[in-house]
Amino acid sequence: DIQMTQSPSSLSASVGDRVTITCRTSQDINIYLAWYQQKPGKVPKLLISAASTLQSGVPSRFSGSGSGTNFTLTITSLQPEDVATYYCQKSITFGPGTKVDIK
Amino acid sequence: EVQLVDSGGGLVQPGGSLRLSCEASGFTFSSYWMHWVRQVPGKGPVWVSRIKYDGTYTNYADSVKGRFTISRDNAKNTLYLQMNSLRDEDTAVYYCAREGAGYTFDYWGQGTLVTVSS
Repeated sequence: DIQMTQSPSSLSASVGDRVTITCRTSQDINIYLAWYQQKPGKVPKLLISAASTLQSGVPSRFSGSGSGTNFTLTITSLQPEDVATYYCQKSITFGPGTKVDIK
Repeated sequence: EVQLVDSGGGLVQPGGSLRLSCEASGFTFSSYWMHWVRQVPGKGPVWVSRIKYDGTYTNYADSVKGRFTISRDNAKNTLYLQMNSLRDEDTAVYYCAREGAGYTFDYWGQGTLVTVSS
């Protein structure tokens, strides 16, 4: 089974800051990684598929990159509505999540 | 508009059974693999089970194998999860999810809470 780690587990940043979340996998998965956003009390929402493909309607301040075993989710200018937990995912496995708060 | 509506959750005693349903609309249900994913509040999502678009293939997480059964009725656009021999550790919000391109979960139901407690 694939193991997934995320770092950091939580972060606090100011509005307008650039935020970077990392996901690492235990084996090479090419580009087959997705990112989800889950706001408090809400359902997970697919943000990015295939490592870097932004889903329709997702703000352009979100971007994804990486391949192999190392992947990154970047928010270029953090907004209050981005407060959420972010999960990476490959097939049936989800990462442990990164909680993002506003400082 | 794609919609998935989960129902059937509730409070059940350990060893009991429950059947969850997920009613789909806004897309051709019979063309998609479907999944159940659960989440303990404050924890990350955990995959439970999946079923092929025509119902001919299923698989399960080890933690529920032999106790849970996924099924679907494509004529009714409905996905099911029969949960038997429930344990305390099955307590979670259960979501149905549609499998999108590249094995993503592109649409989710609103979730239904299952609480296993005496």
